[in-house]
Amino acid sequence: EVQLVQSGAEVKKPGATVKISCKVSGYTFTDYYMHWVQQAPGKGLEWMGLVDPEDGETIYAEKFQGRVTITADTSTDTAYMELSSLRSEDTAVYYCATRGLSYWGQGTLVTVSS
Amino acid sequence: NFMLTQPHSVSESPGKTVTISCTRSSGSIASNYVQWYQQRPGSSPTTVIYEDNQRPSGVPDRFSGSIDSSSNSASLTISGLKTEDEADYYCQSYDSSNQNVVFGGGTKLTVL
Repeated sequence: EVQLVQSGAEVKKPGATVKISCKVSGYTFTDYYMHWVQQAPGKGLEWMGLVDPEDGETIYAEKFQGRVTITADTSTDTAYMELSSLRSEDTAVYYCATRGLSYWGQGTLVTVSS
Repeated sequence: NFMLTQPHSVSESPGKTVTISCTRSSGSIASNYVQWYQQRPGSSPTTVIYEDNQRPSGVPDRFSGSIDSSSNSASLTISGLKTEDEADYYCQSYDSSNQNVVFGGGTKLTVL
């Protein structure tokens, strides 16, 4: 059974950096891209970027370019999404998703507040 | 770059049929596959249609997808509506020019 288990909720101050993990099981980690998606409260889904765990290559959405870093650790079958220079508008649930976005993690709530 | 535009909300009665549209702003809708996701409050999205018109196992055949090149849009049709279908629905495709994933803005389906 494919599972994506994300790390727990975070509370951060403006200007800080958050790093969320997504541990996978039930399939070969390097076979599929890992995507990250942002969903602000009451808003829609916004694609942030992806990593190819096979070689670490990344593609980022223009909106997040320069602030987001997505990585993959093949030794632990875990993907990470780091978002820096946090502002209140980054308060959102962040999802990892894979296999053509057919499998999703449970989401991680990040709250940015002073 | 292109956008996918969906109606903000639709509503219909139980047992009826509803269609949610997803219009691509530029480039052909047929250029890249369209997927549809259902998201209930407090839950992660789940796929109800992939590759324009394919249903994952476990998704009832009341859900169907199509594309229409004349209107440059994709559609999700849900027949025999049930109250459990009440959710947000998102279309999604890919932008080949920059390898980005593109989501529509989402449509809130109310079954009343």
